[in-house]
Formats: sequence, C-alpha cells, structure tokens
Amino acid sequence: NAGVTQTPKFRILKIGQSMTLQCAQDMNHNYMYWYRQDPGMGLKLIYYSVGAGITDKGEVPNGYNVSRSTTEDFPLRLELAAPSQTSVYFCASSGQGDSPLHFGNGTRLTVT
Amino acid sequence: QKEVEQDPGPLSVPEGAIVSLNCTYSNSAFQYFMWYRQYSRKGPELLMYTYSSGNKEDGRFTAQVDKSSKYISLFIRDSQPSDSATYLCAMKAGGFKTIFGAGTRLFVKA
Repeated sequence: NAGVTQTPKFRILKIGQSMTLQCAQDMNHNYMYWYRQDPGMGLKLIYYSVGAGITDKGEVPNGYNVSRSTTEDFPLRLELAAPSQTSVYFCASSGQGDSPLHFGNGTRLTVT
Repeated sequence: QKEVEQDPGPLSVPEGAIVSLNCTYSNSAFQYFMWYRQYSRKGPELLMYTYSSGNKEDGRFTAQVDKSSKYISLFIRDSQPSDSATYLCAMKAGGFKTIFGAGTRLFVKA
C-alpha cells in the first residue's frame, strides 16, 4: 500500500532554476492537492485538482504551475525558483466529497 | 483573524499524563473536523475524523467538538514517548477545501 508517493525527498536549487516535484497516488482518488508548510504557518494550499484535466488555484499559487493528465499523477512545477519558495511541499489526495486528506512524506526544498 | 487558531506550544508532559490539545475557529459553516499527527520529517497522518458536534473515541484518543463554542479538542490518555509529534487540527465546511491550524508540538518525557 504505497498511498501518496513524492519525489524527490530533498532538493537544493539556485535562484532562477526550475524543477518539477512529482506526486503519485495509487488509491484511485479524484482529488489531489499541493500544500506548502512553513514553520508556524500551517499548511497553505497551492493548487488542487478535482480530476484529470481539471486544476485550480489555491491560496498561494504564484510562482507555481500544475498539470493533471492522469488520475494518478499531479506534478508541481517551479519555473523561476526564488528564496521565498524555500519550504516543505506536501502532496495529498482524497476521495469524493468530504473524505479526509491522505498525505505524502513531503519534498524539502531549499532555494539559495 | 485566522479561520483556525491553534496554540503552537511546545507542550511538554510526563509519560502517562492526559494530554489536551485544542483549536478554536471562526467559521460556523465548518462541519467536518480532523486531527492529524505529524512526526518530524514526515507527512501528516489522519488520527481522527468527526462530523458535527459530540465525542469520538479511538483507543487512547478522544476527539471532542463543541460547535456552539466553535472549539475542538483532542485528548490523549496514558501518553507515551511515541506520541511526541506535532498535532494539526483541520476542518472544512464541505467539499474539498480543508483549513489547517498551525500545529501544536507535543513532547512526552519518559
């Protein structure tokens, strides 16, 4: 039972570089989410998707992009990395309606 | 004012103590209430999921919701060092949007 799998676990980027954070789930969930977690700030929603081909912005979408070509995968793209994007990024998924979220173990990103 | 308020702690207790963790909220539309446990360098894992007011018990854990006071609690009985983690409350009105508290760090000393 893999659940939600995120890669890589850690990454260091230079300012202006780009990268893609990978997320895959094997629970056949329609809903997928990207959050960032900063110390003392809780989890902030970046983007979410309610199904393949459908994505929408969350609270803090600036500097990020997403795509959802399959039910299983929901990658997060950083185009021009900035120090403000140093954070821990969590991918999550949920079933229909009011189901709770299931999280991956995160990607720890540092931008210097 | 944040939609969900949670004391960040840290909270330090001796092994065997009863722990009380709390959150307050401002949105009266919230109906679904959750508690997540997060160990260091891991993702949040769901502990408790309740709908509307009342109590729910699961082993050593009890979740309590008081919608009239906009207040939720998580009680941990007979706390163990393995309970040392950050506890996040979360809630939603319905649908997909979940709002999280900032988390309370708990240390249980052996």
